[in-house]
Amino acid sequence: DTGVSQNPRHKITKRGQNVTFRCDPISEHNRLYWYRQTLGQGPEFLTYFQNEAQLEKSRLLSDRFSAERPKGSFSTLEIQRTEQGDSAMYLCASSPDRGGGEKLFFGSGTQLSVL
Amino acid sequence: AQKVTQAQTEISVVEKEDVTLDCVYETRDTTYYLFWYKQPPSGELVFLIRRNSFDEQNEISGRYSWNFQKSTSSFNFTITASQVVDSAVYFCALSEPNYGGSQGNLIFGKGTKLSVKP
Repeated sequence: DTGVSQNPRHKITKRGQNVTFRCDPISEHNRLYWYRQTLGQGPEFLTYFQNEAQLEKSRLLSDRFSAERPKGSFSTLEIQRTEQGDSAMYLCASSPDRGGGEKLFFGSGTQLSVL
Repeated sequence: AQKVTQAQTEISVVEKEDVTLDCVYETRDTTYYLFWYKQPPSGELVFLIRRNSFDEQNEISGRYSWNFQKSTSSFNFTITASQVVDSAVYFCALSEPNYGGSQGNLIFGKGTKLSVKP
């Protein structure tokens, strides 16, 4: 079990630029989640994949946010035309598809700073 | 609406003291799950416990114990004989209703920062 891997760990960008984050889940896990965490707050759910299918995306913060999981393996989260309010920690988590009250395995996150 | 409240923002104790972290939740669901996660300074949330709404038995795991009371909608977490390594932010979370069959969509509280001093 190599854990959930997220890259990069830190990203600094200028307002208006596009950024993309990558998440590599635990290899046998079917489900993959993206969360956002701002300072002093708990993580906030953004979107979720079952294999390659994105089954819930209504919670993405705006149409500037999009996520993909091609071939049901790694996932990317893209933010277009970044704004200062996008500065946050972006967390990825995965879980095996065993139903009911899933235990999530989190990565260490990507810290985004928008200048 | 679902909500998780962790009223204690920060707690500071001296090593070997016992400490209880409070969690109160709101939900209209009859079937739900409650969780505690630990977030050390490295940032990676670590699963501690999961409890479903039909199981009100308290649980003990080493120095950790959890008290689930549906009558008061609380799921409190106690660390006995705290250690410096317990210093972290602790989050209580509630599962949302199924989205596409998943219950991995969690509503987190704001967390309680625990500092254990030697």
